[in-house]
Amino acid sequence: AQSVTQLDSQVPVFEEAPVELRCNYSSSVSVYLFWYVQYPNQGLQLLLKYLSGSTLVKGINGFEAEFNKSQTSFHLRKPSVHISDTAEYFCAGGTSYGKLTFGQGTILTVHP
Amino acid sequence: DTAVSQTPKYLVTQMGNDKSIKCEQNLGHDTMYWYKQDSKKFLKIMFSYNNKELIINETVPNRFSPKSPDKAHLNLHINSLELGDSAVYFCASSPPGTGGVRTEAFFGQGTRLTVV
Repeated sequence: AQSVTQLDSQVPVFEEAPVELRCNYSSSVSVYLFWYVQYPNQGLQLLLKYLSGSTLVKGINGFEAEFNKSQTSFHLRKPSVHISDTAEYFCAGGTSYGKLTFGQGTILTVHP
Repeated sequence: DTAVSQTPKYLVTQMGNDKSIKCEQNLGHDTMYWYKQDSKKFLKIMFSYNNKELIINETVPNRFSPKSPDKAHLNLHINSLELGDSAVYFCASSPPGTGGVRTEAFFGQGTRLTVV
């Protein structure tokens, strides 16, 4: 069975600083990985996805993530965060028929 | 606007009642889902329908019954509501993708259900 672990429940950071949100996965089937963002009282929005090919994937809002098969990781990074990036971020693993298994979420708080 | 829309956005009801949440997508997707987000923000899939057929049914009490009248709609009916059913319920949909691989899900805004 697939499982996804987000290693940090909360990450505080100052504006314009870099940030990394960590995600590890375990799976015995094909790996499809996603990062979603949830703003307060809203649904989930896709930031980026890894299906195959290049291990460095770029997403919206300046985010990127690197798929590392040997470390079974898919960490999310942004070189310079904004106040508006404050939200909860979810890493998820997917199957070919669309089932998503989510991590526990990481609350990113950007301070001025 | 093209989107996944859920109604109602908020639902407060008493224990023992029966309630429904409706979901519609106009994205032309063939698969729809229900996810539950609990008070700790943990998200877990409940059901998935592909072209009106149930393809995923996780361990969910029988009090929860999804219904898909067509591939653009997936409703969730809950009987005999319990306090533990309080959560945010998200509907989502996904296109078939390439080679049958579903590349991403598009989520609705969620329905916050509070059982008192």
